[in-house]
Amino acid sequence: TQLLEQSPQFLSIQEGENLTVYCNSSSVFSSLQWYRQEPGEGPVLLVTVVTGGEVKKLKRLTFQFGDARKDSSLHITAAQTGDTGLYLCAGAQYGQNFVFGPGTRLSVLP
Amino acid sequence: DTGVSQNPRHKITKRGQNVTFRCDPISEHNRLYWYRQTLGQGPEFLTYFQNEAQLEKSRLLSDRFSAERPKGSFSTLEIQRTEQGDSAMYLCASSFRLAGGPVYEQYFGPGTRLTVT
Repeated sequence: TQLLEQSPQFLSIQEGENLTVYCNSSSVFSSLQWYRQEPGEGPVLLVTVVTGGEVKKLKRLTFQFGDARKDSSLHITAAQTGDTGLYLCAGAQYGQNFVFGPGTRLSVLP
Repeated sequence: DTGVSQNPRHKITKRGQNVTFRCDPISEHNRLYWYRQTLGQGPEFLTYFQNEAQLEKSRLLSDRFSAERPKGSFSTLEIQRTEQGDSAMYLCASSFRLAGGPVYEQYFGPGTRLTVT
């Protein structure tokens, strides 16, 4: 059974600080996706990473896929209150469905 | 196209009643997924379709749950004889295959919040 772990589970920081959250597994994934979810809403796709070692930037967000395609990180620079939410990673293996991690709940305080 | 839509957004039902949820995917997406999410957890896979074919169901899925996708368009998820433990957010996602490889990218609807009293 594939298992994705995310750390930290909770993170509370001040506006303007930097942070990194992690997504780890013992399984190899063909792709990995990051989502942000707000209370009462569905997850919103942020990025898909496919190639081992790949780095993608989305404004203040930087995503990295591990060389072995088993882990990923999300780094946020100069966090804003609008970044508050549940950050989920989801991995997929070829031809199979997606498996989600439990999420990192981020609170950015003004 | 405005994305994946789900109806209703909220459903309150009494234990033992049947409920049905609907999902309308993004029109050009051939895969459709159902997930269940409880408070503080990530989405848990229930089942998925490719066009009208149901390709996989979670082994944890009770036989009270059934899903259909007639004609490969919208999908319905029915829960029979609801139990309090069925209370959760039910999420639908549709996906398409990225060009040049076997990678799918999925997009979620807003979810249906079920409360069983």
